[in-house]
Amino acid sequence: NAGVTQTPKFRILKIGQSMTLQCTQDMNHNYMYWYRQDPGMGLKLIYYSVGAGITDKGEVPNGYNVSRSTTEDFPLRLELAAPSQTSVYFCASSSASGRNEQFFGPGTRLTVL
Amino acid sequence: GENVEQHPSTLSVQEGDSAVIKCTYSDSASNYFPWYKQELGKRPQLIIDIRSNVGEKKDQRIAVTLNKTAKHFSLHITETQPEDSAVYFCAASGDYGQNFVFGPGTRLSVLP
Repeated sequence: NAGVTQTPKFRILKIGQSMTLQCTQDMNHNYMYWYRQDPGMGLKLIYYSVGAGITDKGEVPNGYNVSRSTTEDFPLRLELAAPSQTSVYFCASSSASGRNEQFFGPGTRLTVL
Repeated sequence: GENVEQHPSTLSVQEGDSAVIKCTYSDSASNYFPWYKQELGKRPQLIIDIRSNVGEKKDQRIAVTLNKTAKHFSLHITETQPEDSAVYFCAASGDYGQNFVFGPGTRLSVLP
C-alpha cells in the first residue's frame, strides 16, 4: 500500500493563477480531509468528505474547492491564488470503522508570489 | 461543534525528565482521542490513541489518560529523549471519525 499520496511536492504560483493539488489513497477509506498548516502553526481544516459525492466545508474553505468523484481521489482546487494561501497542504484519510486514525500524505508546499 | 484546547503551547524539559501535555474538549459525544507527533518538515503521525471506554493506555514511554466526566485527556512521556522533540497535537472525534478536530499543538523541546 502506498497510503496517501500527494502531488506536487512543491509549487510556486503567481498571484491570480489557479492550480489543483492532487490526493489519492489506496486504503479504501471513506473519509478524506484537506488541511493547511502555516509556518509554526497548527492544522486548519479546509474541506472534508465522508464518501464519494459528498463534501463539506471545514474551518477555512474560502478560496478553495474540492470534489470527490471516487473513493480514492480528493483533489483540492485553488482559484485566483493569493499570498495568504502560501502554506503547506496536507491531505489525510481515515476509515469510518475500526480504528479512526487519520493517515496523512507527505504534504504540498505552496508559495504564492 | 467540537472545540479542542491544548496546553502548554511550548514545553522544555531536560533529557530524562517527564513531559505532560493536556487537552480539553467540549463535545460530550466525542469518543476517540488520538495524539499525533509532527517532526520538523514532516507529516503528522499517530503515536497513541484512546477511546472513551478506557481510562488509560500505555505504550512503552508514552501514556494517555482520559477523564470523560471532566472532558480532558493528557499525554505523558517518561524518560524523555532528544528525539521526542517535536510538535504534538491532540484531537477528538466521534465514534466513526466524524467531527475530527485537532488541538493547536504543543512544541516540546528536550534539552540534553
